[in-house]
Amino acid sequence: DAKTTQPNSMESNEEEPVHLPCNHSTISGTDYIHWYRQLPSQGPEYVIHGLTSNVNNRMASLAIAEDRKSSTLILHRATLRDAAVYYCILRDNDRGSTLGRLYFGRGTQLTVWP
Amino acid sequence: KAGVTQTPRYLIKTRGQQVTLSCSPISGHRSVSWYQQTPGQGLQFLFEYFSETQRNKGNFPGRFSGRQFSNSRSEMNVSTLELGDSALYLCASSFGRGAEQFFGPGTRLTVL
Repeated sequence: DAKTTQPNSMESNEEEPVHLPCNHSTISGTDYIHWYRQLPSQGPEYVIHGLTSNVNNRMASLAIAEDRKSSTLILHRATLRDAAVYYCILRDNDRGSTLGRLYFGRGTQLTVWP
Repeated sequence: KAGVTQTPRYLIKTRGQQVTLSCSPISGHRSVSWYQQTPGQGLQFLFEYFSETQRNKGNFPGRFSGRQFSNSRSEMNVSTLELGDSALYLCASSFGRGAEQFFGPGTRLTVL
C-alpha cells in the first residue's frame, strides 16, 4: 500500500488559511490522492480528491505537486468546525484488490483557535 | 437523502459473547465497507461487500464476519468477544466500489 506522511498536529486561528501537507513519495501513476476528515465523535467524511491537477470544491482546495510526490489540502478560512483529524489517503482504482477499502494513517490533528 | 445509519449506537457485552452490528447504506449505494477504530491502532479496514459478495477482507481473525443483503444492508458479527474488541465500528457506503465513501456515526462496542 502506498504510504503517506503527515504531521501529527497543526494549529490555526479562526478565519486564517490552513495548509495541511502530505508526502507520498512512492505514489504510483494510477493513485488518486484523497482527503477525509473526522470531526470529534463522528465518522470520517470525504473532503476532496485529485489525480494530477489542482482541485477546488466548496470545502477545500487540493494542490498537487508537479511530481505528485506531495500535496497540500488548503482550507481558505478556518472555522472552529474545521477542527478535526485530516487524513491523506492514496487510492488506486485500477487495482481490484484495493477497491472499496481506505488505508487510514494517523492523520493530522488540526486545532483551530478562536 | 438519509445518510448511513448504524444500529445500535452503543453496546456493552462481556467476554465470550457474540454481537451483531447493523448498517443501512445510503439509498442506491451498493458497496458497504466496515472499519474498526481504536486509540491504539487507529482506523483499520475490516471488510467490504458489494452485490452481496465479500470483495475484500482486512487482517482480522475469523471471529469477525459479515454479510450483505439484497437491499444492500449489511451486518457484521463478532463471536467470542475479547476485551481488545472494544472499539468504534464504522460502516461506510458508496455508490460504486471506488467511489467516495460516506460513513455512519459508528457503533461503540465495549467488552467487559
